Amino acid sequence: DAMVIQNPRYQVTQFGKPVTLSCSQTLNHNVMYWYQQKSSQAPKLLFHYYDKDFNNEADTPDNFQSRRPNTSFCFLDIRSPGLGDAAMYLCATSRDKGDNSPLHFGNGTRLTVT
Amino acid sequence: KNQVEQSPQSLIILEGKNCTLQCNYTVSPFSNLRWYKQDTGRGPVSLTIMTFSENTKSNGRYTATLDADTKQSSLHITASQLSDSASYICVVTPTDSWGKLQFGAGTQVVVTP
Repeated sequence: DAMVIQNPRYQVTQFGKPVTLSCSQTLNHNVMYWYQQKSSQAPKLLFHYYDKDFNNEADTPDNFQSRRPNTSFCFLDIRSPGLGDAAMYLCATSRDKGDNSPLHFGNGTRLTVT
Repeated sequence: KNQVEQSPQSLIILEGKNCTLQCNYTVSPFSNLRWYKQDTGRGPVSLTIMTFSENTKSNGRYTATLDADTKQSSLHITASQLSDSASYICVVTPTDSWGKLQFGAGTQVVVTP
């Protein structure tokens, strides 16, 4: 009954080799987020979508791109992963913007860069 | 500088004991303050959400308090269980930038038998 599903759970890629992480949701939520979380640190927002409206954080590297082809799916593309991009990537959803409903997180994708 | 500071960074408690985690924030104005539990290798799970006008919210053995005047929140865990071992994260939603939730770095709690 997982509601926010991330695939794969673990991803190993080589330095500079493009990788795509995926997220799907069964909640029909309008908002989807991508966070990067490094060990013992707070999650860092990379992007969020309100429906198809895309919001890029100012300090998100150009190396990171995102796509949301429909309500249910969202993808994170890392065009040329560096060693510093090794992290847990978390996808989250919320029903709407500005409300008090909880974020629903997936279980993350652990990215290793060799 | 992080707008949400949590303390302690980590703590170890005996099973059955109580503990209290602290969250100090500077985000203003804010819409709500949330506490999440994150098990190792998993995504965070919501424990409580308090709007700026609420003082306390409970979820089973978890009780969160909020003092908007002093910009402090606490999470109290009663009668801890081994399954409470996790990171507890405080998150504040700014009113003027709803999508940019401010996360604390978390308190790592270890419950020992």
